[in-house]
Amino acid sequence: EDKVVQSPLSLVVHEGDTVTLNCSYEVTNFRSLLWYKQEKKAPTFLFMLTSSGIEKKSGRLSSILDKKELFSILNITATQTGDSAIYLCAVEAGTASKLTFGTGTRLQVTL
Amino acid sequence: DGGITQSPKYLFRKEGQNVTLSCEQNLNHDAMYWYRQDPGQGLRLIYYSQIVNDFQKGDIAEGYSVSREKKESFPLTVTSAQKNPTAFYLCASSIREAGSYEQYFGPGTRLTVT
Repeated sequence: EDKVVQSPLSLVVHEGDTVTLNCSYEVTNFRSLLWYKQEKKAPTFLFMLTSSGIEKKSGRLSSILDKKELFSILNITATQTGDSAIYLCAVEAGTASKLTFGTGTRLQVTL
Repeated sequence: DGGITQSPKYLFRKEGQNVTLSCEQNLNHDAMYWYRQDPGQGLRLIYYSQIVNDFQKGDIAEGYSVSREKKESFPLTVTSAQKNPTAFYLCASSIREAGSYEQYFGPGTRLTVT
């Protein structure tokens, strides 16, 4: 059974802090790892990672994948209150284009 | 405007009643998915469909049914057999090709059964 584990489950930081969110996985026939941000309703896509060691970056957010150690991290620098959300990690594996999601990390950024 | 729509946003039902949640997309995506989200449990896959007139069970299909008669529509029926139906339901779609593509999500339907 495919498994995706995120840590920590929740996190409270002050505005301006840097945070690192973790995602580890155990799946058969890995294809890609995706990060989503969920504020109130629909998760919105952040990154898709398929190759080890190549950092993807978008503004203050960045992510990298380690396919040998089976994990990914999502970094957010200079956090803002608008970064408060649930961050979901999902892994696509096998041939059916199914995603297995982790439980998410709830990030709260305070003033 | 391309996207995924789900209706209604909020739905209230009495225990023992079947209820159907709507999901429509105009992205011309082949694949569509239904997830359930409970607090602290992330998203769990209920059913998915990679092509019209075909669908497969996900991890928690018991008590649910789907149909895929049209490419743009993938309705989910929550039957009275579903023991704990109160949850937030999300529909998604994606391109179905050899590469990996992200799934796009609808705004969700919050179902409350009393």
